[in-house]
Amino acid sequence: QQQVKQSPQSLIVQKGGISIINCAYENTAFDYFPWYQQFPGKGPALLIAIRPDVSEKKEGRFTISFNKSAKQFSLHIMDSQPGDSATYFCAASKGSNYQLIWGAGTKLIIKP
Amino acid sequence: DVKVTQSSRYLVKRTGEKVFLECVQDMDHENMFWYRQDPGLGLRLIYFSYDVKMKEKGDIPEGYSVSREKKERFSLILESASTNQTSMYLCASEGQGGGNTEAFFGQGTRLTVV
Repeated sequence: QQQVKQSPQSLIVQKGGISIINCAYENTAFDYFPWYQQFPGKGPALLIAIRPDVSEKKEGRFTISFNKSAKQFSLHIMDSQPGDSATYFCAASKGSNYQLIWGAGTKLIIKP
Repeated sequence: DVKVTQSSRYLVKRTGEKVFLECVQDMDHENMFWYRQDPGLGLRLIYFSYDVKMKEKGDIPEGYSVSREKKERFSLILESASTNQTSMYLCASEGQGGGNTEAFFGQGTRLTVV
């Protein structure tokens, strides 16, 4: 029940295309869903986050879609660029006293 | 600019050695974490700390210990390094609000045990 399942493990997208990464969870107590971006040789950094009271959050080319009934959330990267090539992690937590539960990560490669 | 600094980018140690990985944050954060990152396994929590001298086991604490003597510093100790501890180690900190706030990561330490 604590797991967050992330797919795909790797993804190759042409420049200008849409990259989509999916995550699913079981624990309905989760109330915070961030996405982190990690470039090679760096630690992960927060990209965008959503709470379950909204179904979508957009920041520039990055959008989180959240489906509470399906217990799924996804990251969409519009107009994908080579600079978006990185590993992306979804995560979830259930309140301020609990640590993040992480997905396994998706290695995204944007082909020029 | 917030900062989490890990003492080494790369380390090579011999089997059986005692290994210290150091992490310092300058954000006055209460919570600090040690993760290991392996391909296909994501980030796995080793230990975390919510306060000075306080520690809690994460998902994979075996073979590791930690120390937090000062608020800004969190150390990971491999008592007797083994080859299966070859990995990328990431330190993170976050402020009050715990899992609902942004976690800030160091650049990672790639440890190779030979």
